[in-house]
Amino acid sequence: EVLLVESGGGLVQPGGSLRLSCAASGFTFSSYSMNWVRQAPGKGLEWVSYISSSSSTIYYADSVRGRFTISRDNAKNSLYLQMNSLRAEDTAVYYCAREHEYGGNSCVGYWGQGTLVTVSS
Amino acid sequence: QLLLTQSPSASASLGASVKLTCTLSSGHSTYAIAWHQQQPEKGPRFLMKLNSDGSHSKGDGIPDRFSGSSSGAERYLTISSLQSEDEADYYCQTWGTGKVFGGGTKLTVL
Repeated sequence: EVLLVESGGGLVQPGGSLRLSCAASGFTFSSYSMNWVRQAPGKGLEWVSYISSSSSTIYYADSVRGRFTISRDNAKNSLYLQMNSLRAEDTAVYYCAREHEYGGNSCVGYWGQGTLVTVSS
Repeated sequence: QLLLTQSPSASASLGASVKLTCTLSSGHSTYAIAWHQQQPEKGPRFLMKLNSDGSHSKGDGIPDRFSGSSSGAERYLTISSLQSEDEADYYCQTWGTGKVFGGGTKLTVL
């Protein structure tokens, strides 16, 4: 069974930093590209960032580029999101999401349960 | 620009069928999409990947009541024999260099 478990969310002040983690199990983590997707309260889904299986290809949404950094550790079956210069509009539930298909960039096939990030003074 | 358009809301009666629509932006009519379901207070769940020719591959444990089809730039999700647990938000999603989500359709089961 594919399992994605996020952690690291919490309350942070504007301008602060936070690091999210996602522990993956139930599949060969090193073979799949991964994503972070977020959902602000009462709003729809917004893709945040993508990283390929070998970390050779990385994409960011315009709204976070230059402030957020995605990374992964295949030896630890873990995905990360370093979030700096946080703003109130970054408040959201952040989901770790695995690609549906082996190898490339396509659709999300599995979702974690999410971790809440609240940016407020 | 790659965009997906969904109607904000839909409704249908218990036991009936409903067809939700996701429209790809101009110039992107051959793109595949995915459908995701988000029940109230839960995380999203992948339903299926839907290709431009209407072929689709479902996620784990998705019942046969959920099916997909395509016509031109439109991608459809049909849910038959509606049940109360089908009341949820439904998002379509596609991809280019990044991923794009539609705004979601809130389905009410009457």
